[in-house]
Amino acid sequence: DTEVTQTPKHLVMGMTNKKSLKCEQHMGHRAMYWYKQKAKKPPELMFVYSYEKLSINESVPSRFSPECPNSSLLNLHLHALQPEDSALYLCASSQEGTVSSYEQYFGPGTRLTVT
Amino acid sequence: GENVEQHPSTLSVQEGDSAVIKCTYSDSASNYFPWYKQELGKRPQLIIDIRSNVGEKKDQRIAVTLNKTAKHFSLHITETQPEDSAVYFCAASLNSGYSTLTFGKGTMLLVSP
Repeated sequence: DTEVTQTPKHLVMGMTNKKSLKCEQHMGHRAMYWYKQKAKKPPELMFVYSYEKLSINESVPSRFSPECPNSSLLNLHLHALQPEDSALYLCASSQEGTVSSYEQYFGPGTRLTVT
Repeated sequence: GENVEQHPSTLSVQEGDSAVIKCTYSDSASNYFPWYKQELGKRPQLIIDIRSNVGEKKDQRIAVTLNKTAKHFSLHITETQPEDSAVYFCAASLNSGYSTLTFGKGTMLLVSP
């Protein structure tokens, strides 16, 4: 299995809702990432998990809360979002500590719309 | 932090022509330089990458060159085809176990039949 999967594909939520995005990989990768991508812009790194521990938080507002329950799963919990948070949320994974650890593989993304 | 500049922002070529996209980076410690292709509505896909101990890498019609002294790297696509049309992102990273990619702003490549 060489894929990163994400659910849901699309999500519409109000500003008072609580929702979660899910990411899964079965490649044995020990580093997992969340990116945010606005239209016609490059992906922007939000969080990095390494061996299920949060290693990098790129000053992301607390209304985004990541969670890594095990080495295959990565969640992003959303609460009290703003309309400007509407974007494509991409998950990625990579090996760690090996020659191949550099290569990041992206999931298909969740298209989030905040109303 | 790292800053990556990418040019041009759009590139239109005829089928069969070559296309070149250029990127510069600011952090001399960066050691990994991937290129991603993103078609409309799809995920970024890694198409080629180069590490700082290599000057050039080729994979069929795609090649990447790296000049560490000048801190720039380029993507070369030969014999372009309409299916090459997409947005291409360069990125730079300092790898210490995991990679933290800083992306360029992207180049929209349009290949006309």
